[in-house]
Amino acid sequence: DAKTTQPPSMDCAEGRAANLPCNHSTISGNEYVYWYRQIHSQGPQYIIHGLKNNETNEMASLIITEDRKSSTLILPHATLRDTAVYYCIGEFSGTYKYIFGTGTRLKVLA
Amino acid sequence: DAGVIQSPRHEVTEMGQEVTLRCKPISGHDYLFWYRQTMMRGLELLIYFNNNVPIDDSGMPEDRFSAKMPNASFSTLKIQPSEPRDSAVYFCASGGQEKLFFGSGTQLSVL
Repeated sequence: DAKTTQPPSMDCAEGRAANLPCNHSTISGNEYVYWYRQIHSQGPQYIIHGLKNNETNEMASLIITEDRKSSTLILPHATLRDTAVYYCIGEFSGTYKYIFGTGTRLKVLA
Repeated sequence: DAGVIQSPRHEVTEMGQEVTLRCKPISGHDYLFWYRQTMMRGLELLIYFNNNVPIDDSGMPEDRFSAKMPNASFSTLKIQPSEPRDSAVYFCASGGQEKLFFGSGTQLSVL
């Protein structure tokens, strides 16, 4: 079973921040939180990952709660091209054996 | 690097025929994964290799499916005989730098 739970869908206005939540209360202390997205029928694409601290890269920011039971992926200025299914995954770093759940279908509206 | 390369992009075949999907991972990556995606079941992990050795094939649906990785730069997923319920998008991915890199997938239609 997937270790994470996400809302099935969200809408966001273009130019606004998109905040995608993920619950991962059952992941172990050494498991990282990974985020991937899948645009239409393309292969999933890596976004960001983290263990305890908040992380930021050119694509997004990842905020992990202190108790590590949940996290939020933030796309600071969503564009139409960010419309995709976003997957949150809990896994040990370097094993890559990801179990994809159903993800959150984000729709960015013009 | 060109990324993970899969072929063919589309495959249409008739029930009972053998189907072979091919994958070239990113050079230097030690892990290779085969996933299948359908509307009903989402993304399913079928099998993965580490240093060309199959590690976990528990996701392979049945004996009709087999996968090989004869060397670090090539893997195949074979379905024999194929059935209409095998129709799906099959993705190959290679792991390195703490990330998975996916290919563009093979759209398989079994009539």
